[in-house]
Amino acid sequence: GAVVSQHPSRVICKSGTSVKIECRSLDFQATTMFWYRQFPKQSLMLMATSNEGSKATYEQGVEKDKFLINHASLTLSTLTVTSAHPEDSSFYICSARGPLAGGSYNEQFFGPGTRLTVL
Amino acid sequence: QKEVEQNSGPLSVPEGAIASLNCTYSDRVSQSFFWYRQYSGKSPELIMSIYSNGDKEDGRFTAQLNKASQYVSLLIRDSQPSDSATYLCAAPSGGGADGLTFGKGTHLIIQP
Repeated sequence: GAVVSQHPSRVICKSGTSVKIECRSLDFQATTMFWYRQFPKQSLMLMATSNEGSKATYEQGVEKDKFLINHASLTLSTLTVTSAHPEDSSFYICSARGPLAGGSYNEQFFGPGTRLTVL
Repeated sequence: QKEVEQNSGPLSVPEGAIASLNCTYSDRVSQSFFWYRQYSGKSPELIMSIYSNGDKEDGRFTAQLNKASQYVSLLIRDSQPSDSATYLCAAPSGGGADGLTFGKGTHLIIQP
């Protein structure tokens, strides 16, 4: 149980284009989803927290107009990187948490990640 | 700003020995802690969670928490080459629905 998927797993795009990444909880309802970013040889950095049906809460320094997050249902959250630039190239990982996912309240289950390369 | 500190390593351990990974945290209010394993190019995988002072054992893994010292550790017994990975320590960033604050991770190498 507690499986989280992400799509696509890898994407290459041109500078200035927008990219949408999907995060799905496959076998539980995710009341909360999180988006993280990881640059090479660095740790995961929380970008934003989203609760189903409400606006996302962004961490300090993360541009909400550039990284659009939608959590329209209990099993799907999307992250759209708008007007992507080479410095946005990174490993984007979502995680999900829900009352029936198992584990404790704070345990998060991670998706496999999406590697974004902006040319 | 909550901080979670880890020695980045690499930590090299012979196969079959005990690997000891350490983590300190800055926020005394933190109540839960997590150890994740991350292979290169992959996303983190939850290994252990611990909430109470003392030890928690799960198979070859033992997590230890000392809230007075703000210290949490992970022991891996009978280390295997497949245990070679980066181990991330994490604590909740804040109350409610906040995400996790991760340490930079310790790169563990198990030498055959």
